[in-house]
This record gives sequence, C-alpha cells and structure tokens, in this order.
Amino acid sequence: EPEVTQTPSHQVTQMGQEVILRCVPISNHLYFYWYRQILGQKVEFLVSFYNNEISEKSEIFDDQFSVERPDGSNFTLKIRSTKLEDSAMYFCASSAARARSHEQYFGPGTRLTVT
Amino acid sequence: KQEVTQIPAALSVPEGENLVLNCSFTDSAIYNLQWFRQDPGKGLTSLLLIQSSQREQTSGRLNASLDKSSGRSTLYIAASQPGDSATYLCAVASNDYKLSFGAGTTVTVRA
Repeated sequence: EPEVTQTPSHQVTQMGQEVILRCVPISNHLYFYWYRQILGQKVEFLVSFYNNEISEKSEIFDDQFSVERPDGSNFTLKIRSTKLEDSAMYFCASSAARARSHEQYFGPGTRLTVT
Repeated sequence: KQEVTQIPAALSVPEGENLVLNCSFTDSAIYNLQWFRQDPGKGLTSLLLIQSSQREQTSGRLNASLDKSSGRSTLYIAASQPGDSATYLCAVASNDYKLSFGAGTTVTVRA
C-alpha cells in the first residue's frame, strides 16, 4: 500500500542552524501539507501546497520557514535559523482530489530537537 | 478559528467493552472530519473519514457519526481489545482542506 515517507526520523541541531526536513508524498497525490506537534500539545497545521505554490499557511509559518517541491517526488520543509521552540515532531501529509474526499495520509514524522 | 475539543481526555476500560469517544467543533462549515489513531512517538494513522454531507461511516469494529449542525462527532469502537490502546485524534477539515486537531483521547484497554 502506498505511504508517505519522511527523512530523517530524528534530527538534532543547534540553535541558529538551518534544517531541511524531507518528505516523499504518495505518488498520485496533488496536495501536500506540513503539520507539527510539540510534545504534549495538539497537532498544528503549518502550511499546505498545491500546484507548486503555497495554498494556506498558519501564523506559525513565518519567514523562517519555507517549503519546496524540488522535483517530482520530494516535498521539503526548511527552517532557516532554528530556535529552541521549534523542537517538535513534524509531520508531512498528502491528499488526492479523488472523489473529492481529500483524505489526508500522514508520514511517520521527523522528530526535531534544537539544543 | 476552528476549535476542536475531545472528551474524555483519557479512558480505561476492560477488554470487550465498547468505547465511545466524543469530538466537538465550533465552526460547522467543515469539508470533512477524520479520525486518526496515534501510538506513542509515532505518526498518525487515518481510521475513518466522514464527508460533510454524510452522517455515518463504518469500518470493521469502528463506527463514526457526524452531526454537523450541532458540531459533534462520535467514534464507537466495538468489543475493545488491548491492541486498541492508543491515542485517538479527531481532526476537522475546513474548506481549504487544512486540518484542525483535538487534543485526543488516550485509551487503555485492560486485558
């Protein structure tokens, strides 16, 4: 069964460093999303991406964040200068427009630890 | 802004008992509602999706209902098993497809 994959599973970085989190969505999906979950808190929407541009972004998704689909398979989230409060689990998701359901399928997540 | 609340926050039941998990949301202008399962430190597994025009959706021992006008959904799990122990998340999609999540109900099924 097709699934969303994410790499790395765990990333440790120092404050101020840039990180890139990578995702491979399900191959025939057209809508891509990033969410994050700070330990003990709700899953929060960050950004959605369709047709090579951002569709929606939350107030969390400030100028330190960017997304890119560099080729036909990868979808990346970049954090330019990490802060301690960026420590969280980051989930990538994708959905198709098949039957208009837009059911979102999530990857296993990347745990980002900023020290 | 959509607010999603899940009650109870935690639930412990003996094996075989039926589970009832509640979800409420503040804005009834939704696109769909998804129930997810999350195991500790893991990703989110989609269990059921209910379109805004539907009242109910079933998959095996799972049944989810949706009352959009009152802003409520209920997930029923029949004949619970220890393997059902996990956190169950309710998520509501707005018309731009972004999901708003509840905090989850953590279920423990005792053997």
